[in-house]
Amino acid sequence: QLRLRESGPGLVKPSETLSLTCTVSGGSISSGSYYWGWIRQSPGKGLEWIGSIYYSGNTYYNPSLKSRITTSVDTSKNQFSLKLSSVTVADTALYYCARHRSYSGSDWFDPWGQGTLVTVSS
Amino acid sequence: SYELTQPPSVSVSPGQTATLTCSGDKLGNKYACWYQQKPGQSPVLVIYEDTKRPSGIPERFSGSNSGNTATLTISGTQAMDEADYYCQAWGGSVVFGGGTKLTVL
Repeated sequence: QLRLRESGPGLVKPSETLSLTCTVSGGSISSGSYYWGWIRQSPGKGLEWIGSIYYSGNTYYNPSLKSRITTSVDTSKNQFSLKLSSVTVADTALYYCARHRSYSGSDWFDPWGQGTLVTVSS
Repeated sequence: SYELTQPPSVSVSPGQTATLTCSGDKLGNKYACWYQQKPGQSPVLVIYEDTKRPSGIPERFSGSNSGNTATLTISGTQAMDEADYYCQAWGGSVVFGGGTKLTVL
């Protein structure tokens, strides 16, 4: 059974860079056919896609966040990572990683990690 | 940018059919999927590619998509189905609807 688990600091100061890692178990991140994505959910709010990366390094991002996002993949550790720069309090959210199926217009996320809360505060 | 619109809330009595809608421009020309999120839990995919159910999702969950509206139907709604439901589609980027809170009462 494929499982994903997010990890990283729970508190980040304004203007600094948020860094998260997603560790995949029960399957290989290099298996192909899937991207690996990041989604966030502000407290009491809906879901917002951040970006996705393929094991080869191909990426695509939410246009509204693109200038601040960097993602990477480490196939040797079966992990992928997110960096979000110049954070503000508006970036406070529960951050999820998920396997992302994206092909021929079909697009969905399954399964999702448990999520990790990141608070931006001085 | 592309937008998906969901009603904020829907109520249904136990055993009845719940109908949740998701509207977007020419949404029927795209694939839609649906997620269920219970309080304190991660979202779970319940419908993908308009009508397909992932393994483990009960048959009472079904989906359709035509025109400008995708629909998630829950037949014989149970108390355990009370949750937030989000639709999602590709509209130049990944787009989520704002979510519908389903209350079973």
